[in-house]
Amino acid sequence: KAGVTQTPRYLIKTRGQQVTLSCSPISGHRSVSWYQQTPGQGLQFLFEYFSETQRNKGNFPGRFSGRQFSNSRSEMNVSTLELGDSALYLCASSKDRGLINEQFFGPGTRLTVL
Amino acid sequence: GQNIDQPTEMTATEGAIVQINCTYQTSGFNGLFWYQQHAGEAPTFLSYNVLDGLEEKGRFSSFLSRSKGYSYLLLKELQMKDSASYLCAVLRQYGNNRLAFGKGNQVVVIP
Repeated sequence: KAGVTQTPRYLIKTRGQQVTLSCSPISGHRSVSWYQQTPGQGLQFLFEYFSETQRNKGNFPGRFSGRQFSNSRSEMNVSTLELGDSALYLCASSKDRGLINEQFFGPGTRLTVL
Repeated sequence: GQNIDQPTEMTATEGAIVQINCTYQTSGFNGLFWYQQHAGEAPTFLSYNVLDGLEEKGRFSSFLSRSKGYSYLLLKELQMKDSASYLCAVLRQYGNNRLAFGKGNQVVVIP
């Protein structure tokens, strides 16, 4: 069974730009969660999507948004990029919603904002 | 909010036993996860505890005390491949930011 895939793997943007990251969950998984990981703050929860609806969210500003499609694939968008948005963005999938289930992480997208 | 504390780093010898602690403060506790993350890789799930007590899974065991806001991960018969960061994460039943992670405990296994 193929794992969680994320594209692109690496991305360089400049301040003020916007970026869209993509995540394809494991086949049959319907929940997708997004995380930001930085050396300073560690791993932080962004949001969870299930059945095309955002079910849970973290403490990030509105510049961070996402969506989920009917095939469970998900995208995350960051608008008006700031230097502090440089991070590894991870998505994780699980069979069901609610965050209590085992989550399987993708390899991540390394975003660098210059 | 949630406060989660983990030691930053520890070193242990191959074949030994190491205990990784995690203390937390939260409201509406709904479980605690342990994840392993090797350098440059994504986290992988190790355990989920929602009731008090010890759960054993091979060389790894996880313990939870809800009244003390405390959990530990026990790694037995340490192997070199166990060198990694171990993250604990606390889940709340409600509110924003329901899932919060600790900064991780870097375990270095030496021969």
